Amino acid sequence: DQQVKQNSPSLSVQEGRISILNCDYTNSMFDYFLWYKKYPAEGPTFLISISSIKDKNEDGRFTVFLNKSAKHLSLHIVPSQPGDSAVYFCAASDGSNYKLTFGKGTLLTVNP
Amino acid sequence: DADVTQTPRNRITKTGKRIMLECSQTKGHDRMYWYRQDPGLGLRLIYYSFDVKDINKGEISDGYSVSRQAQAKFSLSLESAIPNQTALYFCATSGGGPSEQYFGPGTRLTVT
Repeated sequence: DQQVKQNSPSLSVQEGRISILNCDYTNSMFDYFLWYKKYPAEGPTFLISISSIKDKNEDGRFTVFLNKSAKHLSLHIVPSQPGDSAVYFCAASDGSNYKLTFGKGTLLTVNP
Repeated sequence: DADVTQTPRNRITKTGKRIMLECSQTKGHDRMYWYRQDPGLGLRLIYYSFDVKDINKGEISDGYSVSRQAQAKFSLSLESAIPNQTALYFCATSGGGPSEQYFGPGTRLTVT
């Protein structure tokens, strides 16, 4: 049973526009959520996180929104740049351990 | 120098061979993890260790074993490699509390 779902395998946007990547989860015990970015031939790199006590966290061009009632989070990238083209993974953990459960990823392509 | 290193970066081996993937970290973290990534499946946890004396199975540990030789070193072994273990393997570390994990560059393993 997939506890973290990224239902869009790919997303294509124009440079300068907003990119919105979505993630849904089913485990109500999850209380910490993260987004990772992965380029080919590299390991995933941490992008931004949010605790369940918040509904928004912002870092530069990246904002993560959490809707606990809907068990949904999203990553907004504004403005999108060609260098943002990568696979984005959503991940979640609960308070009882520090394991991360990952979604399958969304390939973002930002076109010049 | 990279904080999390993995060796080898690429490996081709034959069915039935024993192979070891090594991970070293300079971040001083107690927690270390091994994941595999398959196309379309995201990252799945194989084993994790919260300190030198603590080893835990992840969601897909069958066919794998690990050794935590020191705080900084965590090795993954395939005792008898099989073709469906062909994948990208990532090592990761994390510090105290709910926190992001830092990933190595990965090992691309091909079992023929």
